[in-house]
Amino acid sequence: KQEVTQIPAALSVPEGENLVLNCSFTDSAIYNLQWFRQDPGKGLTSLLLIQSSQREQTSGRLNASLDKSSGRSTLYIAASQPGDSATYLCAVKNQAGTALIFGKGTTLSVSS
Amino acid sequence: ETGVTQSPTHLIKTRGQQVTLRCSSQSGHNTVSWYQQALGQGPQFIFQYYREEENGRGNFPPRFSGLQFPNYSSELNVNALELDDSALYLCASSLRTGPYEQYFGPGTRLTVT
Repeated sequence: KQEVTQIPAALSVPEGENLVLNCSFTDSAIYNLQWFRQDPGKGLTSLLLIQSSQREQTSGRLNASLDKSSGRSTLYIAASQPGDSATYLCAVKNQAGTALIFGKGTTLSVSS
Repeated sequence: ETGVTQSPTHLIKTRGQQVTLRCSSQSGHNTVSWYQQALGQGPQFIFQYYREEENGRGNFPPRFSGLQFPNYSSELNVNALELDDSALYLCASSLRTGPYEQYFGPGTRLTVT
């Protein structure tokens, strides 16, 4: 059974710092991995999607990497800003099945 | 391009009642999935609909049911509400093929008292 873990559960950094969020999964037979942002009480905003054949994806200050063999993905945020404060969720879709399987998220707080 | 929309935004129900939540998928998307997110947890998959049929189901009891309509919009119905059903209910749409990127709506906050 696929399990997704995100470490740390919470992170506080000063504005301008570069940071890395971690996501690990137990079954490497994934179809894709998606990173989301969630503001309190709101829906999920898709940040980056990495297909199983890809190693990384970039969008602006965000860079996500995928290492299927080790069951790990990282989300790198450059030059963090207070507006980046939110919960970041990692989710995988297995090759078999239709569900996205989520971690519990990392809550990021960026102080000015 | 219209994004995923959900209604209502908030809902308060009493234990034992029934509730219907609605979702309109993003333009051109033919697949709709529903997720339940309890406070402090990641979303949990309820089920997915494709071509108006259930196309995968998570570990939820039969009192959670759904529909998909010809325009790809969808409903989630929950019967015999329990206190533990209090959560944020999220709808996501996607295409059945390709990268399978899922786009989520703003959610419906259900409170069961």
